[in-house]
Amino acid sequence: AQTVTQSQPEMSVQEAETVTLSCTYDTSENNYYLFWYKQPPSRQMILVIRQEAYKQQNATENRFSVNFQKAAKSFSLKISDSQLGDTAMYFCACVGGATNKLIFGTGTLLAVQP
Amino acid sequence: DTGVSQDPRHKITKRGQNVTFRCDPISEHNRLYWYRQTLGQGPEFLTYFQNEAQLEKSRLLSDRFSAERPKGSFSTLEIQRTEQGDSAMYLCASSLRAGGRDTEAFFGQGTRLTVV
Repeated sequence: AQTVTQSQPEMSVQEAETVTLSCTYDTSENNYYLFWYKQPPSRQMILVIRQEAYKQQNATENRFSVNFQKAAKSFSLKISDSQLGDTAMYFCACVGGATNKLIFGTGTLLAVQP
Repeated sequence: DTGVSQDPRHKITKRGQNVTFRCDPISEHNRLYWYRQTLGQGPEFLTYFQNEAQLEKSRLLSDRFSAERPKGSFSTLEIQRTEQGDSAMYLCASSLRAGGRDTEAFFGQGTRLTVV
């Protein structure tokens, strides 16, 4: 079984500043993937960044990067130079095993303030 | 291809009525997933298909729920005798599994169901 925990229901950041969203997970799989998805208001969920558990190097995608601590089962998302368009619900998710089904956390609502 | 599309976007129904939702995945994707998302929660897995075969169903999928993917392309999710507790956003996602690996899952915009 897999679980994903996001302990920050809401976060706020000033435009151009940096913010870090926290996520912890638990899984019995040896080979698994971790994701951060963004869900803007009334819009579809899109993938922000993906991390393969067997890779030690932290994934980066432009202004988005992760801090993957495998032993601690921690997977935080850092957003640099925050933009107004980053305002959204952010979900951390884990997938492992053959089904590729995603297990999501409860989400963090990020508000970027002008 | 414009991505994963879901129809309708919104559905309001009276308790006890049946409803059916449709999902059209990205055309080359062989895996299709249904999730349910209630307010303030993350999406929860309901079921998934590989081609036309339904390979896993969550215990959340009661007997009133049925999903099909008859030709391995689009999928339908039917809820019979709807209850107020069925009110939620129903999300569809698709991915391609090939060579033992999966691409990322792409999501549709969802169908928001309100049972009154």
